[in-house]
Amino acid sequence: EIVMTQSPATLSVSPGDRATLSCRASQSFNINLAWYQQKPGQAPRLLIYGASTRATGIPARFSGSGSGTEFTLTISSLQSEDFAVYYCQQYNNWPLTFGGGTKVEIK
Amino acid sequence: EVQLVESGGDLLQPGGSLTLSCAASGFTFSSNAMSWVRQAPGKGLEWVSTMNPNGNTYYADSVKGRFTISRDNSKNTLYLQTSSLRAEDTAVYYCTKDGKLHLFDQWGQGTLVTVSS
Repeated sequence: EIVMTQSPATLSVSPGDRATLSCRASQSFNINLAWYQQKPGQAPRLLIYGASTRATGIPARFSGSGSGTEFTLTISSLQSEDFAVYYCQQYNNWPLTFGGGTKVEIK
Repeated sequence: EVQLVESGGDLLQPGGSLTLSCAASGFTFSSNAMSWVRQAPGKGLEWVSTMNPNGNTYYADSVKGRFTISRDNSKNTLYLQTSSLRAEDTAVYYCTKDGKLHLFDQWGQGTLVTVSS
């Protein structure tokens, strides 16, 4: 099983600042990695797939990068609606696995 | 517009059984892999099961032998039969439409299963 580890668990950021979220995999794989955003009381929403491709309708301030074991989600200028929990997920191997999440909160 | 509407969540005692349903619309259901993902209260996301269009199924070890995923393409509906439920199965269960290679590109609103004595 590929274990996905996200850091930090909580990120305190001021509106307008950049946020950098990390996701590390216990085994190397190519780019079969997705990022999801979840707001309180809502279902998750797909943000990024293929490590760096934005899903339909996702603003350009969200970007993903990485391959192998190290992946990053960057939010270039945080808006009020971006404060949420973010999860990474690998879809390279069974079982499909998620990271534990990073909560982005207002500083 | 893709819509996924789960139903069937309930409060059950340990050892009980339940079938969850997911009514899908807005896409060609029969051509898509579909999955169940769950989230325990205050916790992260956990993949539960996937069914491919060809009928192949996959399960997390935590539910293997207790849960069964199935689909009725004539009704555009995905199912998750659960049995021998445990307290640790308490969660919101989300139905998802899978994108390429089993990323989850659309999610339902979820249905809550509570297992408690």
